[in-house]
Amino acid sequence: NAGVTQTPKFQVLKTGQSMTLQCAQDMNHNSMYWYRQDPGMGLRLIYYSASEGTTDKGEVPNGYNVSRLNKREFSLRLESAAPSQTSVYFCASSEVGGNTIYFGEGSWLTVV
Amino acid sequence: GENVEQHPSTLSVQEGDSAVIKCTYSDSASNYFPWYKQELGKGPQLIIDIRSNVGEKKDQRIAVTLNKTAKHFSLHITETQPEDSAVYFCAASSYKLTFGKGTLLTVNP
Repeated sequence: NAGVTQTPKFQVLKTGQSMTLQCAQDMNHNSMYWYRQDPGMGLRLIYYSASEGTTDKGEVPNGYNVSRLNKREFSLRLESAAPSQTSVYFCASSEVGGNTIYFGEGSWLTVV
Repeated sequence: GENVEQHPSTLSVQEGDSAVIKCTYSDSASNYFPWYKQELGKGPQLIIDIRSNVGEKKDQRIAVTLNKTAKHFSLHITETQPEDSAVYFCAASSYKLTFGKGTLLTVNP
């Protein structure tokens, strides 16, 4: 039982490059989330998808786009990476919004 | 929206001592309060949670208390062990989880 799987684990980008973080969950959850974690800032919500076919902005959505490809998959795209987007990114899912969230192992992104 | 404050930001205890982490929240509609433990290089994992119709919940060495009137909840870890060393996050939710900024707990052998 894999839970929440996200790829890649590590990535180095140059300023202005684009990339997509992939996430998949096998728990048949309706809701999925993308968070970023920075030192001293805790976990901040970038975007979430309450159910298949819907996406909504979280606390820090600027510079990101998301796609809820199907019930299992939720991707995060950086169109033009900036050094301020250097962070650890976590994908997560829950059965419904407001309930227990299950996190992936994280993706370490460095933008130089 | 919801705002969650967590204290302290760092906590150092001797093995065998107790550790207490406190959180306050702002939205009186919040009804679900989980606690997560994050080990180095890993994603956060749920360790215990409590709903607003319960004042206290215990699971072996960890317990959570909730005071809805005062809008605060706390995590208590007794008989701490070195493997309890990690970052702990509280969160509050009505329809979407909002996290505190985390507490780095260090248990010294």
